[in-house]
Amino acid sequence: GENVEQHPSTLSVQEGDSAVIKCTYSDSASNYFPWYKQELGKRPQLIIDIRSNVGEKKDQRIAVTLNKTAKHFSLHITETQPEDSAVYFCAASGGSYIPTFGRGTSLIVHP
Amino acid sequence: EAGVVQSPRYKIIEKKQPVAFWCNPISGHNTLYWYRQNLGQGPELLIRYENEEAVDDSQLPKDRFSAERLKGVDSTLKIQPAELGDSAVYLCASSLGRASDTQYFGPGTRLTVL
Repeated sequence: GENVEQHPSTLSVQEGDSAVIKCTYSDSASNYFPWYKQELGKRPQLIIDIRSNVGEKKDQRIAVTLNKTAKHFSLHITETQPEDSAVYFCAASGGSYIPTFGRGTSLIVHP
Repeated sequence: EAGVVQSPRYKIIEKKQPVAFWCNPISGHNTLYWYRQNLGQGPELLIRYENEEAVDDSQLPKDRFSAERLKGVDSTLKIQPAELGDSAVYLCASSLGRASDTQYFGPGTRLTVL
């Protein structure tokens, strides 16, 4: 089955800095890679996703890049704000229908 | 449009007791997922439904867990009997139907087994 590794587990940045979270996956047949933001006690919310026919996607301060050859994808947040503080999860699916999530990255943005 | 609805939001039970969770997906979503999320970890898939058919249930502990999705709409997940290690948040999600479709999560049910 699919295996998704996510790093780092904790990321602490100053407001205004950039944050990068990286994930690797094992199943070359995976073709859909969403990123979710989960605030404490709340549901995971999709913030951006990318499909395997695209190398990069951007939405305002958030971008995701995908390297299919190396089987890794990354989340980039620019100009971080305190409200960006949350746990971020990457996921991979499509090779099988079983979506596999990373263990999460706790992002802390200090004012 | 209403999102994925789950109930109850919180449940506290003693071990060996039964418990059930309910989920109503987004209207028109054929695929429904049940996940378990332990503290500090990502969601882990328990079972996936395509309409009323259960598929991808290899990670469902079938000795104590059961699920159903009668009529291919709402779904229930049951644990009987519950064990201490079952304490977690149980998340339901739905999507249109393809593996590459976006999943939308419900608020989850936080289960505490004493």
